[in-house]
Amino acid sequence: AQTVTQSQPEMSVQEAETVTLSCTYDTSESDYYLFWYKQPPSRQMILVIRQEAYKQQNATENRFSVNFQKAAKSFSLKISDSQLGDAAMYFCASGNTGNQFYFGTGTSLTVIP
Amino acid sequence: DTEVTQTPKHLVMGMTNKKSLKCEQHMGHRAMYWYKQKAKKPPELMFVYSYEKLSINESVPSRFSPECPNSSLLNLHLHALQPEDSALYLCASSHLGLAGGYNEQFFGPGTRLTVL
Repeated sequence: AQTVTQSQPEMSVQEAETVTLSCTYDTSESDYYLFWYKQPPSRQMILVIRQEAYKQQNATENRFSVNFQKAAKSFSLKISDSQLGDAAMYFCASGNTGNQFYFGTGTSLTVIP
Repeated sequence: DTEVTQTPKHLVMGMTNKKSLKCEQHMGHRAMYWYKQKAKKPPELMFVYSYEKLSINESVPSRFSPECPNSSLLNLHLHALQPEDSALYLCASSHLGLAGGYNEQFFGPGTRLTVL
């Protein structure tokens, strides 16, 4: 089994500033992927970024980047130049070969104008 | 088409009603999922279908009955639900395993269910 932990229930950031959301995980799998999903008030779950565990290079998608520390089992999300539309619940998740997802408890991000 | 669709968007039902939720995808994914999500909580996995066969049932009460008629469709039949079953029901799909590349799940917009 896998566990995913998000220790920050709530975070806030000023518009245009940078914020980092934390995530740690525990797994005995050798092959796995890690994901960050965003869920705005509309409740649609949207994939933000993904990282293959076997890749050392950190994934980036425009203003979103991850800091993947495999040995520490840490997978944090950095949002640069925060925008009002970034306000949402963010879930960290891990996926394995059994096609199961393990979600963290989520971090609610507020963007302050 | 990179979309998962769900109908209806909202559903209100009494405890004696029978209703169904529908999910559809045309991305060629062979894994489909049902999740239940309460407010401010992560999605809880209910069922997983792989190649149209039920592969995971997370000890869900029998008042929830899933069905996968073909590789594009997933239904969730509801009968004799309880008020505590009120939640957002999310459908998702993905490639199977890691062979298809990224196995990220694509989520539908959900059905907001209220049981009176």
